[in-house]
Amino acid sequence: EAGVAQSPRYKIIEKRQSVAFWCNPISGHATLYWYQQILGQGPKLLIQFQNNGVVDDSQLPKDRFSAERLKGVDSTLKIQPAKLEDSAVYLCASSFGRGQETQYFGPGTRLLVL
Amino acid sequence: AQKVTQAQTEISVVEKEDVTLDCVYETRDTTYYLFWYKQPPSGELVFLIRRNSFDEQNEISGRYSWNFQKSTSSFNFTITASQVVDSAVYFCALSEASGGFNKFYFGSGTKLNVKP
Repeated sequence: EAGVAQSPRYKIIEKRQSVAFWCNPISGHATLYWYQQILGQGPKLLIQFQNNGVVDDSQLPKDRFSAERLKGVDSTLKIQPAKLEDSAVYLCASSFGRGQETQYFGPGTRLLVL
Repeated sequence: AQKVTQAQTEISVVEKEDVTLDCVYETRDTTYYLFWYKQPPSGELVFLIRRNSFDEQNEISGRYSWNFQKSTSSFNFTITASQVVDSAVYFCALSEASGGFNKFYFGSGTKLNVKP
């Protein structure tokens, strides 16, 4: 069974530029999560989708971050404009249902904002 | 207040030593889940175990064991006879229901260095 796919794996941009990350969850997984992991810290949940609807985006900085999951499968996370403090690893995870089920993580996208 | 506290930032042991990673959580829910994940240098989080709040039985899986104690809100993880391949950052996580959906909280992680 294929795992969670993410691209790109690495991205370097200058501040005020825009960037987008893509995630394809495990087939059949209804719930998709985006996390931000700053170096030396644990992952912080940014947004959670159930199928193509947003369940929780309370920690998403909505003035610059946006995310969508239009067909209930793959998802895109965008930052516009990027700030230095956005440098982090962006992790995508998926789980089968909406319950308290195990999340499976992708390899992440490492973002460096200069 | 931190929902999940991993007080040990970094631990170094010599191969074949036993090591315990501590995790203390905070929740008012009666139904919740606890998890441990491993993050090797490659960066991908690898699922190790999930435990629900009603099951306090300790669990053993090979060299790994977990001790869940609701009385002290702890969910500690022990590696027996550690190996160099166990070197990684280990995260404890809590999932609790909130308004019809689940909120997930990760601890700050414990970096384990196993030296040959």
